[in-house]
Amino acid sequence: AQKITQTQPGMFVQEKEAVTLDCTYDTSDPSYGLFWYKQPSSGEMIFLIYQGSYDQQNATEGRYSLNFQKARKSANLVISASQLGDSAMYFCAMREGNTGGFKTIFGAGTRLFVKA
Amino acid sequence: ETGVTQTPRHLVMGMTNKKSLKCEQHLGHNAMYWYKQSAKKPLELMFVYSLEERVENNSVPSRFSPECPNSSHLFLHLHTLQPEDSALYLCASSQEGQGPHGYTFGSGTRLTVV
Repeated sequence: AQKITQTQPGMFVQEKEAVTLDCTYDTSDPSYGLFWYKQPSSGEMIFLIYQGSYDQQNATEGRYSLNFQKARKSANLVISASQLGDSAMYFCAMREGNTGGFKTIFGAGTRLFVKA
Repeated sequence: ETGVTQTPRHLVMGMTNKKSLKCEQHLGHNAMYWYKQSAKKPLELMFVYSLEERVENNSVPSRFSPECPNSSHLFLHLHTLQPEDSALYLCASSQEGQGPHGYTFGSGTRLTVV
């Protein structure tokens, strides 16, 4: 069965510094996708970054990068140059298979606090 | 314009009331989802509609009834809810079958059952 684990309920980072949010996953499907979402206090979930299981390069989107270590089944999110607006909940998610979004599952989330 | 619009943003209802949550997507996506987000629990998938056909129902109690009249609209009809149903209900849409993509979520409806 697929599973997503985020072990950090909360994280603090100083503004302008980098921070890593941990995510480990478990699946028996060789084909899967990994996602990170941001949820500000407004409630809306915002898609940040995607990594496919067959992708050779780590995904990057602006200040976001995904440290994908397939053998360890980890997909950590790295936020560089943190900004106050980065304070939010962050969710790691996984979808098995190439095309089906129907079985995406989410981790419990990590709350990030960015300090001025 | 977020692409996925949910109304109302907040809802307080009694246990004997009947209400509906509405979700509308303006992205041309072919799949829509209802998720429940409770305090201290991971997001729970409730229902999935693909091309207006329900393809997933994760053992949700019958007091929650989804409806998808077309590919742009999704409703969640509520009746005789319990206090433990109080949560943030999130609607999402996606374009399935065309490579890697994430969901586009609405802002959610904060539901309080009294």
